[in-house]
Amino acid sequence: DTGVSQNPRHKITKRGQNVTFRCDPISEHNRLYWYRQTLGQGPEFLTYFQNEAQLEKSRLLSDRFSAERPKGSFSTLEIQRTEQGDSAMYLCASSLPGQGFEQYFGPGTRLTVT
Amino acid sequence: DAKTTQPTSMDCAEGRAANLPCNHSTISGNEYVYWYRQIHSQGPQYIIHGLKNNETNEMASLIITEDRKSSTLILPHATLRDTAVYYCIVHISGGSNYKLTFGKGTLLTVNP
Repeated sequence: DTGVSQNPRHKITKRGQNVTFRCDPISEHNRLYWYRQTLGQGPEFLTYFQNEAQLEKSRLLSDRFSAERPKGSFSTLEIQRTEQGDSAMYLCASSLPGQGFEQYFGPGTRLTVT
Repeated sequence: DAKTTQPTSMDCAEGRAANLPCNHSTISGNEYVYWYRQIHSQGPQYIIHGLKNNETNEMASLIITEDRKSSTLILPHATLRDTAVYYCIVHISGGSNYKLTFGKGTLLTVNP
């Protein structure tokens, strides 16, 4: 399967702990996106990379959140000092150059902060 | 981005056509209409997009009214696996802004 993969699929952590999620995009896709989805809502945009450059960040991405995409391949999303409000599904997507609105999503990482 | 309005939920019988409406009365001339769907516990999936003309692919058809203020996504022969939340998104194509703005979508339930 050559789709977008995300690890772990589920993460349970205690409030105040740090967590890191990984996203592996489709290999020829140079754009990578992170979204967050809470229960009953559509996904909300967090940040976007073109190759290794982080080009846009939502105001939802507080200073406790950081994303990287070294060498323009996989990406990591880290949340420091987790809060219960961070509990959500974190979705990663990727797209081809010039086809930014045809985004291919991974299965997501479900974070539960207790 | 133009705001979209979709019904909260719809039902459809298996094998029948599912017609999902979307209102986007403030759409501007260079904004496209995109449809995604999200099956339970999965990430969203791109379905189809269009600007003015009707579009068809292997998954669905998109009918856009002449004034472009509304559109309908048609699944010609719905199956149980089409049960999902369907999102209608309006956005300008091109440029460097590719973030998708999802609303709450329409929960389509296909019944046997």
